[in-house]
Amino acid sequence: QLVLTQSPSASASLGASVKLTCTLSSGHSNYAIAWHQQQPEKGPRFLMSLNSDGSHTKGDGIPDRFSGSSSGAERYLSISSLQSEDEADYYCQTWDTGIHVFGGGTKLTVL
Amino acid sequence: EAQLVESGGGLVNPGESLRLSCAASGFTFTTYMLNWVRQAPGKGLEWVSSISSGNTNIYHADSLKGRFTISRDNAKNSLFLEMNSLKAEDTAVYYCARGNLAMDVWGHGTTVIVSS
Repeated sequence: QLVLTQSPSASASLGASVKLTCTLSSGHSNYAIAWHQQQPEKGPRFLMSLNSDGSHTKGDGIPDRFSGSSSGAERYLSISSLQSEDEADYYCQTWDTGIHVFGGGTKLTVL
Repeated sequence: EAQLVESGGGLVNPGESLRLSCAASGFTFTTYMLNWVRQAPGKGLEWVSSISSGNTNIYHADSLKGRFTISRDNAKNSLFLEMNSLKAEDTAVYYCARGNLAMDVWGHGTTVIVSS
């Protein structure tokens, strides 16, 4: 079964860096994913698609502070120079024939 | 700029029906798969349904089969979600999203509340 696992919460200080993790279920370690940001009271916003080799394609207007990487079944979203507007929920998403799957989301708090 | 705008949400009684719409602009509608995703209050994102660009492939989340039907009108750049036999647990913000694989454009959502 295709499942994405995310930690429920993360925190980091203003100006610091943070790395969020999304883990693919067993047997699916070669799957690509997408990262989405959802700021409070807003709809989701596409950040990037991320392949198993770490190559990624960012959405329009996504700052260079956001980057992605991969290792085995883990997919990462790194955010540098944290700003207050980065405080949001972050979701990973993947797909297979006939289905889409979302991770449970990570709530990022900027201290 | 690609844009999606949902409409049709509202307050309905359990067991009733509702039809959501999503109007697309700023991109070639006929080349993309479209999706509905929902978010219950305080919860995460949940995929609901997808439809291919030519209406040939339609997919629904297993938990919703038989009650929800996705459709599109390529002549009007519009996506729809027909929801029947609504339950309290269908209460959510419903988003339409563009994407054959990664969902790369999202609407702002329309709110559905199922309550007596």
